[in-house]
Amino acid sequence: NAGVTQTPKFQVLKTGQSMTLQCAQDMNHNSMYWYRQDPGMGLRLIYYSASEGTTDKGEVPNGYNVSRLNKREFSLRLESAAPSQTSVYFCASSGTGQPFQETQYFGPGTRLLVL
Amino acid sequence: AQSVTQLGSHVSVSEGALVLLRCNYSSSVPPYLFWYVQYPNQGLQLLLKYTTGATLVKGINGFEAEFKKSETSFHLTKPSAHMSDAAEYFCAVNTGGFKTIFGAGTRLFVKA
Repeated sequence: NAGVTQTPKFQVLKTGQSMTLQCAQDMNHNSMYWYRQDPGMGLRLIYYSASEGTTDKGEVPNGYNVSRLNKREFSLRLESAAPSQTSVYFCASSGTGQPFQETQYFGPGTRLLVL
Repeated sequence: AQSVTQLGSHVSVSEGALVLLRCNYSSSVPPYLFWYVQYPNQGLQLLLKYTTGATLVKGINGFEAEFKKSETSFHLTKPSAHMSDAAEYFCAVNTGGFKTIFGAGTRLFVKA
C-alpha cells in the first residue's frame, strides 16, 4: 500500500515550457486535491476533484489545468510555466464521503523550479 | 469567509519542555479543525482533528488540542518536547465542502 505517490520529485523548467505533474492513490478514495506550498503562506488549494469525472477550481487555479484520469489518478498541467509557479506541489486524497471532516493523505511533493 | 492564523512562524523549546503552538480561526459556522505535521522533505500527515463532540482532542505522538469556541482557538500542546518533534506544524479549518484552509505554518525547533 503506497498511499499517495507523485512524479516527478523534482523538476526544473524554463519560462514558457509545459509539464504535467502526476499523482496516484491506491486507497480507493473518491476525492483528490492539488496544493502548492510557498514559504510563509501554508498550503493553497489549486484544484480539486470531488469524484471521478469532476474537477473544480480552488483558491489559486490560474495557470493550471487538471485531469481526473480515473479514480486513482489526478494530474496537474502547467501549459506555459512562469517563475511565479516555482513552488512545492502536493497531491492529496480523501474518501469517506464527508470531505469537510475527512483526513487528507498527502504525497511526498514535487519541487518545481521555473527559471 | 474562513481563515486561520498561526501565531509565531518559529517556536523554539528545550527538550522536555512544554510545546504550545497557537492557532486561531475565523468562521461564521461551526468549524472542523485539524493539525497536520510536516517533517523535512515529506508530505503532511494528520496529528489530530476536531469534528464534533469532546472539545479536547488527543492525537498521535502525545499531542493534544482543545477547541475553544469562545476564543475561536485550537491550540496544540505537548507536555514534554522530544527532539523528534522538530517539524513544521499546520493548523487547518473546514466549514463544509471540499475547501480546507491551511495556516501559514509554525516551525518547531527543539534544543538539546
